[in-house]
Amino acid sequence: DAGITQSPRYKITETGRQVTLMCHQTWSHSYMFWYRQDLGHGLRLIYYSAAADITDKGEVPDGYVVSRSKTENFPLTLESATRSQTSVYFCASSESGGKAFFGQGTRLTVV
Amino acid sequence: QKEVEQNSGPLSVPEGAIASLNCTYSDRGSQSFFWYRQYSGKSPELIMFIYSNGDKEDGRFTAQLNKASQYVSLLIRDSQPSDSATYLCAVNREGVTGGGNKLTFGTGTQLKVEL
Repeated sequence: DAGITQSPRYKITETGRQVTLMCHQTWSHSYMFWYRQDLGHGLRLIYYSAAADITDKGEVPDGYVVSRSKTENFPLTLESATRSQTSVYFCASSESGGKAFFGQGTRLTVV
Repeated sequence: QKEVEQNSGPLSVPEGAIASLNCTYSDRGSQSFFWYRQYSGKSPELIMFIYSNGDKEDGRFTAQLNKASQYVSLLIRDSQPSDSATYLCAVNREGVTGGGNKLTFGTGTQLKVEL
């Protein structure tokens, strides 16, 4: 189906482990984004990408790594998970005009 | 000062009434403005966008933009219980022909439409 999909939908991991969240879009949008959403903070941008092989930091990039070898995929890796990274993570994509469309989200719990 | 500010609510309105949601932003370079609706446990869904000063209407929704006052609002006419959700305001420095530059979000206003 066309759209933007995230996997997994739910993930529980232990402190210190590496975990990768996947994001795939079928629209061929140039721009892709990773946000985290926490109570009291709203949506905060972690990383974004303007095209394949072009990525840039957002507001809260520490502890995260991204890559974009193909236009349609934008995985987010937590190199060594911490409890403060427990959150809901949203991937989004957009084309002209800044209109962004979101995936279903990944609820990550770090124990 | 937060870049995009919204009253967290909850804003309670009776069914059939007009709900008015407000948003202010600090970056005068902002060019495009968006309203997203987010149901509990779901992802944000784009419902309105506006690039020029004035009003933009789409069905029961009207977005209003006043760049001089750095103010964006969303009016929901004939509010329904299904409109109960959190409404997120977002701004972007890119205009209508610009690329998908990053959005800055407010923390959202919770709307409750009561029977």
